[in-house]
Amino acid sequence: EAGVAQSPRYKIIEKRQSVAFWCNPISGHATLYWYQQILGQGPKLLIQFQNNGVVDDSQLPKDRFSAERLKGVDSTLKIQPAKLEDSAVYLCASSPPRPWGGTQYFGPGTRLLVL
Amino acid sequence: GESVGLHLPTLSVQEGDNSIINCAYSNSASDYFIWYKQESGKGPQFIIDIRSNMDKRQGQRVTVLLNKTVKHLSLQIAATQPGDSAVYFCAESRSTGTASKLTFGTGTRLQVTL
Repeated sequence: EAGVAQSPRYKIIEKRQSVAFWCNPISGHATLYWYQQILGQGPKLLIQFQNNGVVDDSQLPKDRFSAERLKGVDSTLKIQPAKLEDSAVYLCASSPPRPWGGTQYFGPGTRLLVL
Repeated sequence: GESVGLHLPTLSVQEGDNSIINCAYSNSASDYFIWYKQESGKGPQFIIDIRSNMDKRQGQRVTVLLNKTVKHLSLQIAATQPGDSAVYFCAESRSTGTASKLTFGTGTRLQVTL
């Protein structure tokens, strides 16, 4: 079974530029998550989708971050404009529909460096 | 390669010994607990999980123990190998209707010495 796919793997931009990340979850997984992981810390949830609807975006900085999952499969996360403190790894995860455990499966992440 | 977690607590273990990584959690409403392994430059990889109504679960070379009284979780790795070197995160999962919400703990870096 293919895992969660993400692209690009690395991105370097200057502050105030925009950037977009793409995620393809595991086939059949209805729930998709975007996390931000700052070096030395655990992942922090940014947004959670159930199919193409947003379940939780309470931690998403909505003045600069946006995300969508138009057809309930792939998702994109955008930052516009980027700030220096946005330098982090952006992880996408997916989970199967209930009944199941509480486990989420992660992609390899996109490493963003804002200069 | 890129480092994950430059200032994390570190556990050094000799190859072949057993490793025990500990984690404290905070939410009594969490219904699952999960251990993830994160190698440098990669996303977190699922190791093992345990329901909140269990106190022990075993996998291949790994055992997770859950003590709800003191809100403590541990991961035991038997016969630790160099490939086990990574940062380990515990996560507590709370149901949110049709999905779950994960809250990650502070990671622990496991260094396996030869």
